[in-house]
Amino acid sequence: EVQLVQSGAEVRKPGESLMISCKGSGYTFAGYWIAWVRQMPGKGLEWMGIIYPGDSDTRYSPSLQGHVTISADKSISTAYLQWSSLKASDTAMYYCARQGTWNYDYWGQGTLVTVSS
Amino acid sequence: QSALTQPRSVSGSPGQSVTFSCTGSSSDVGVFVSWYQQHPGKAPKLMIYEVSKRPSGVPDRFSGSKSGNTASLTISGLQAEDEADYYCCSYAGRYTYVFGSGTKVTVL
Repeated sequence: EVQLVQSGAEVRKPGESLMISCKGSGYTFAGYWIAWVRQMPGKGLEWMGIIYPGDSDTRYSPSLQGHVTISADKSISTAYLQWSSLKASDTAMYYCARQGTWNYDYWGQGTLVTVSS
Repeated sequence: QSALTQPRSVSGSPGQSVTFSCTGSSSDVGVFVSWYQQHPGKAPKLMIYEVSKRPSGVPDRFSGSKSGNTASLTISGLQAEDEADYYCCSYAGRYTYVFGSGTKVTVL
C-alpha cells in the first residue's frame, strides 16, 4: 500500500528555521516525483515545487523560489520542505503528494505550520 | 503563473447534475488536467486525471471533459457525500503545475 506520512504540527516564531518531512512507503520512492502543496487558512491549494528523489532534480513555483528549499534523501525514502527564516505568512497546511502520470495520486495527511510571535 | 479560474461555488439537489469549469490562460490548460476533491480537514483526493480518466475506486458519476482552454468536471446523480471543495490542476510547462482557485460544491 502506497503511503506518504508527514511529520507533525509545528509552531515557530518569525525568523526561525524549520524543516518538515514526508516519508514514502509501499513503492519505489526514488522513482516518482514528490510535490509540496501549500494551503493557507481558508484558502485554496497552491503548488510549491517538486523533487525527483532519484537524482534530487528540483523545480519550484516562480512565486516561491528562494523562500523555501525542497530536498530528499532516497536512502530513507523521505522528502523535506525547509525554511531558513519563517514569516507569519508561512502559516498554512502543507501537503506532500506523489506525482503519478501527470497527476497527484497519493497525498500525505498534511503538516500544519503556525508562525506567530 | 496565475491560478486557474474556477467558479467559487455551485449547488444542486440530490440526484441532480452539476458541472463547473476550470479556465486558464492560453498555455495553461492542456491535456494533463486533473481534478481533486477535498473534504474539510482532509487531504485532497484524485478524482479525474488526463482530462477524463477516473482512478480505480472513483464513482462513475464523476466525469471530466475539455474544450479549448477550459476543462470541466461533472458530477451526475449528486449525493450528500459529494459536498466538498474541488480543485483542478494543470501542467504549466517546465515541470511546474498550477492549481485552480477551487469550487465549493453544496448539496442542497
